[in-house]
Amino acid sequence: DPKIIQKPKYLVAVTGSEKILICEQYLGHNAMYWYRQSAKKPLEFMFSYSYQKLMDNQTASSRFQPQSSKKNHLDLQITALKPDDSATYFCASSQDSSGAETLYFGSGTRLTVL
Amino acid sequence: GDQVEQSPSALSLHEGTGSALRCNFTTTMRAVQWFQQNSRGSLINLFYLASGTKENGRLKSTFNSKESYSTLHIRDAQLEDSGTYFCAADEGGSAKLIFGEGTKLTVSS
Repeated sequence: DPKIIQKPKYLVAVTGSEKILICEQYLGHNAMYWYRQSAKKPLEFMFSYSYQKLMDNQTASSRFQPQSSKKNHLDLQITALKPDDSATYFCASSQDSSGAETLYFGSGTRLTVL
Repeated sequence: GDQVEQSPSALSLHEGTGSALRCNFTTTMRAVQWFQQNSRGSLINLFYLASGTKENGRLKSTFNSKESYSTLHIRDAQLEDSGTYFCAADEGGSAKLIFGEGTKLTVSS
């Protein structure tokens, strides 16, 4: 059974709309993350959360807003969607946010913005 | 990214053979992780290394922080080893991982 659940697996949106990407982890981890994989680019770190608090934000745009309603949830709200936002968005988790821990990834949400 | 240089970008192996993938780092990294991205797009963690060498089955990885590189050796390659392999490293002080651009491995019979 997958331990990090991302929903939906595929998402198509129109330019200017808003979407929420869902992530839940059942590994008992205290740190959660979002990464983005765009075509022809390496995976890029976006956010890290520890105990539901934002630890690091490498996303320049405020259109990307993480939301953590529970320790094992870290959703990603994206507003005013643009075609350049098209990518696969991966949620990940680790035991803590020290960096000295193995990172586990969900299966990703592939977002296409038309 | 620029801080993590991964090579080769693509690699073809016949079943039963082996090879090595390499990541060079332009800054001092505290630890490295290796991932396989399979045909379904899932990222599977293979190794976490803060130093030294680890082995798991047909895979072996080494991280030399002083000389700023890491390697992943695959031996006796199998068809299911096909996929894209990424190294990712952290500079310390945060959990942010910097990924290489990946090595696309194709294993054929």
